[in-house]
This record gives sequence, structure tokens and C-alpha cells, in this order.
Amino acid sequence: GQNIDQPTEMTATEGAIVQINCTYQTSGFNGLFWYQQHAGEAPTFLSYNVLDGLEEKGRFSSFLSRSKGYSYLLLKELQMKDSASYLCAVLDSNYQLIWGAGTKLIIKP
Amino acid sequence: DTEVTQTPKHLVMGMTNKKSLKCEQHMGHRAMYWYKQKAKKPPELMFVYSYEKLSINESVPSRFSPECPNSSLLNLHLHALQPEDSALYLCASSQGTGGPDTQYFGPGTRLTVL
Repeated sequence: GQNIDQPTEMTATEGAIVQINCTYQTSGFNGLFWYQQHAGEAPTFLSYNVLDGLEEKGRFSSFLSRSKGYSYLLLKELQMKDSASYLCAVLDSNYQLIWGAGTKLIIKP
Repeated sequence: DTEVTQTPKHLVMGMTNKKSLKCEQHMGHRAMYWYKQKAKKPPELMFVYSYEKLSINESVPSRFSPECPNSSLLNLHLHALQPEDSALYLCASSQGTGGPDTQYFGPGTRLTVL
């Protein structure tokens, strides 16, 4: 079967760093996406990884290890507006997105 | 420009009503998607259109009827819905290369069925 696991909820402090992990088991792999979703709003694209390693984009970085079926999203210099759900999604062998349940990130002052 | 627009933003309808949700993109994308999202759950894929042809229907009940009039527009016609169909309905589009495309989402329509 297809399975994507990420923590349900995480709490961090403004200005700090947080790492959100995602592990996956899917039928085929054509890349992994991270999306941010504020409550009641649409998901917005953050990153796409298909090769092993770290992709950095401003305060956000995403890492992938295909051999371990593992990714993480790293958020630095946290701001209150980063409070949102972060969704990990894998593109399977049919190029369909398989979604994780999302991690709700709470930022405290 | 990575904008996908959806109308209306909110919709309240009775179980006997017929309504339509609309989605539009002008990015030249050739794949368009309808998702349903319940609170605190990830999006669930409903339909995929590729080059204006329905390519995926994820066993969605017939009370949901998609339509793709042209490459920029996607509609979702609703009829005889149930209260459990209340959800956020998201439209997305991607280039439609058949490869690893990024999907860009519209703001969604919050649907309440009474």
C-alpha cells in the first residue's frame, strides 16, 4: 500500500528553527512536494525534491533521501505567519500525488 | 503568474439544489484537477482533466459532474448533494507534461450543504 507519515502537530518559538519530517512508502517515486496551507485557504507550493540532497529557498529548505524514503522541511527564523499546516506529498509511478495528513505547526511568541 | 481563480468563495445549498463551481487559469496549463478537502485532512483527488479530456475519475458519486469547456476553464456541477459533501473544494492546474508537474491551487470554494 501507499503510506506517508508526518507528525500531526508541532510547536516552536518565534525566531527559532523547526524541522518537519516526512517518511513515505509508495508505489514508485517521481518526486516529493511540500505545500503550506493556512487554515481555510488553499495549499501553496513550497518545494519539490526528486534528487537526494538539500534544496534551499530563503528561510525554507527541503531535504530528500530516496534510499531511506525520508524528507524533511526546515524552517528558519520562524515568524508568526509560518503558523500553518505543512503537507508532504509524493508523486507516485502514475504521476499522481499521494498526500500525507499534514503537520500543524504552531508558532509561539 | 501562478494564479488559479475559483468562484464562488462560499456556497450554501440545499440538498435539492443544482449549483456549479467554476475554476479558471491563464497559465497555459493543460492539466486541471478537482479536489475535496475536509477539515484537518489532506486534499482528496476527485477528477483530473488532461488536454480537456477526463483522464481520472476517482470513483466520485454521480451527483458531482465535472466539465472542461476549454483549456482554461473547469467546472464542477453539483446536484442532489448530501450534508456530508460539505467541504472545501479545491481546483488545481499543472503544465500537463505527463511528468513531474507542480500543481498550483486556487483559493477554494467552501461548500455547505444543508
